[in-house]
Amino acid sequence: TQLLEQSPQFLSIQEGENLTVYCNSSSVFSSLQWYRQEPGEGPVLLVTVVTGGEVKKLKRLTFQFGDARKDSSLHITAAQPGDTGLYLCAGVGTGGFKTIFGAGTRLFVKA
Amino acid sequence: SQTIHQWPATLVQPVGSPLSLECTVEGTSNPNLYWYRQAAGRGLQLLFYSVGIGQISSEVPQNLSASRPQDRQFILSSKKLLLSDSGFYLCAWSLGTSGGTDTQYFGPGTRLTVL
Repeated sequence: TQLLEQSPQFLSIQEGENLTVYCNSSSVFSSLQWYRQEPGEGPVLLVTVVTGGEVKKLKRLTFQFGDARKDSSLHITAAQPGDTGLYLCAGVGTGGFKTIFGAGTRLFVKA
Repeated sequence: SQTIHQWPATLVQPVGSPLSLECTVEGTSNPNLYWYRQAAGRGLQLLFYSVGIGQISSEVPQNLSASRPQDRQFILSSKKLLLSDSGFYLCAWSLGTSGGTDTQYFGPGTRLTVL
């Protein structure tokens, strides 16, 4: 069974600080997605990474896919209160289209 | 562009009553469709997925059922709700592309409270 473990589960930081969220597995994934979800809304796709070692940037957010395609990280530079939310990673298995979701990291950025 | 709709947005139902949640997708054909349940502030539990009309796969045994009467319509149902059915229900769609790059896109969700 493929599992995705996210850490930390909860993170509370001050505005302007940097942070990194991790998504780890013992399984290889064909691709990995990061989503951001606000309370009472559906998750919104931020990025998809496909190639081992791939790095993608979305303004102050930097996403990296591990070389072995078993893990990923999300780094936020100079966090802002608008970054507050639940960040979910999701991996598509090598066997097909089924997607495995991590439990999420709850980020709270204080002004 | 593709859009996904869910309704109702919120629902309060008594224990033992029936349930019907609807999800529709616009702007694409023959999508894969998914129903998830999310506990408060936590990850997603896949309940059902469908790769085509009338084709439903269940991931966990439960009090719920799903149907896909039309290509872009996915319905989540129950004959008798339990307290444990309370939660945030999310519908999602994907193109079902091969090669491991299939990405899911989510609807706005339905908050179900069973009293």
